[in-house]
Amino acid sequence: DTAVSQTPKYLVTQMGNDKSIKCEQNLGHDTMYWYKQDSKKFLKIMFSYNNKELIINETVPNRFSPKSPDKAHLNLHINSLELGDSAVYFCASSRVTGYEQYFGPGTRLTVT
Amino acid sequence: QQQVKQSPQSLIVQKGGISIINCAYENTAFDYFPWYQQFPGKGPALLIAIRPDVSEKKEGRFTISFNKSAKQFSLHIMDSQPGDSATYFCAASGGNDMRFGAGTRLTVKP
Repeated sequence: DTAVSQTPKYLVTQMGNDKSIKCEQNLGHDTMYWYKQDSKKFLKIMFSYNNKELIINETVPNRFSPKSPDKAHLNLHINSLELGDSAVYFCASSRVTGYEQYFGPGTRLTVT
Repeated sequence: QQQVKQSPQSLIVQKGGISIINCAYENTAFDYFPWYQQFPGKGPALLIAIRPDVSEKKEGRFTISFNKSAKQFSLHIMDSQPGDSATYFCAASGGNDMRFGAGTRLTVKP
């Protein structure tokens, strides 16, 4: 009965490849987020969707494209992966945008 | 731009001691100030949060102190335990804007 789940947990790929990370929440929340945590543990919000509508889009390369097929899912697709994309990516959700966020377990992306 | 400044970057406390982590924010539109706890290999988990209409909130050994005029808030962990060793993040949000502090790595020595 995991609240926020992500797949895969680990992702190792080569530069230039395209990859996707999937996120699902079973909390009935309206808002979902993607965060990037770098090697120094700094958490940076990338995107936020509310009821499938994009509401936050921080300065992120357009190689990153979120997709929300329904309000329980928010997937992250990354094109032309670069070494600097290596990080842990967290999905999160909340009932109201910006409040009481529940985070997934993270996906560790390693680009070689 | 970093709108939430967190200090210290790391903190070592003896078991039973008090751990104090501080944060300062800039955007006066922020109206929700949570603290998240993150263990290695796990996602951040909401620990405690406060709204600006109160100056203090306590949940067990964890207390948030909030100073609206100074735009500062802090987390106090009383009777710190080795199991509290983790990275702590403050955050601030309001509307569609949310920012995290850079994190504090807390180590509680037995």
